Amino acid sequence: EAGVAQSPRYKIIEKRQSVAFWCNPISGHATLYWYQQILGQGPKLLIQFQNNGVVDDSQLPKDRFSAERLKGVDSTLKIQPAKLEDSAVYLCASARTSGGLSSYEQYFGPGTRLTVT
Amino acid sequence: AQKITQTQPGMFVQEKEAVTLDCTYDTSDQSYGLFWYKQPSSGEMIFLIYQGSYDEQNATEGRYSLNFQKARKSANLVISASQLGDSAMYFCAMREGNRKLIWGLGTSLAVNP
Repeated sequence: EAGVAQSPRYKIIEKRQSVAFWCNPISGHATLYWYQQILGQGPKLLIQFQNNGVVDDSQLPKDRFSAERLKGVDSTLKIQPAKLEDSAVYLCASARTSGGLSSYEQYFGPGTRLTVT
Repeated sequence: AQKITQTQPGMFVQEKEAVTLDCTYDTSDQSYGLFWYKQPSSGEMIFLIYQGSYDEQNATEGRYSLNFQKARKSANLVISASQLGDSAMYFCAMREGNRKLIWGLGTSLAVNP
């Protein structure tokens, strides 16, 4: 079974520029998550999709971040314009289901390391 | 208040020895789940083990076991027979009900040969 794919792996941009990240979840996984992980911290959930609908985007800075999951499969996360504090690793994860406390696992991609200069 | 507390920023262990990584949590929910993830330097988060609040037995997965002490609200990860490949960041996380995962700050583990 192929894992969660993310691209690019690394990105360096200047502040005020735009950037987009792509994620392809594991086939058949209905739930997709985007996390931001700043160095020295645990991941922070930015947005959660169930199929192509948004379940939770309460911590997404909507003035500059946007995400979509067309057709309930691939997803893109965009930052426009970027700020210095956006430097972080952006992790995508997928899971079969989001319901209940069953021991379903979130499978993570390798992440995209963003540096804003 | 911190929901998930990992008090050990860094830990060292000798190869082939066992190590315990601490995690305490704070919740008033009766139904919750506790997770441990490993993050090597490559950056990918790898699921290790899960414990449900109603599970009476401690979870085990190979060399990983979760020492669940509900009254103390602790969910420590025990790695037996450490290997060099175990060197990584380890994160404890909790889900309350159907809500999102809450993560600790992590513990960096270094396994010495």
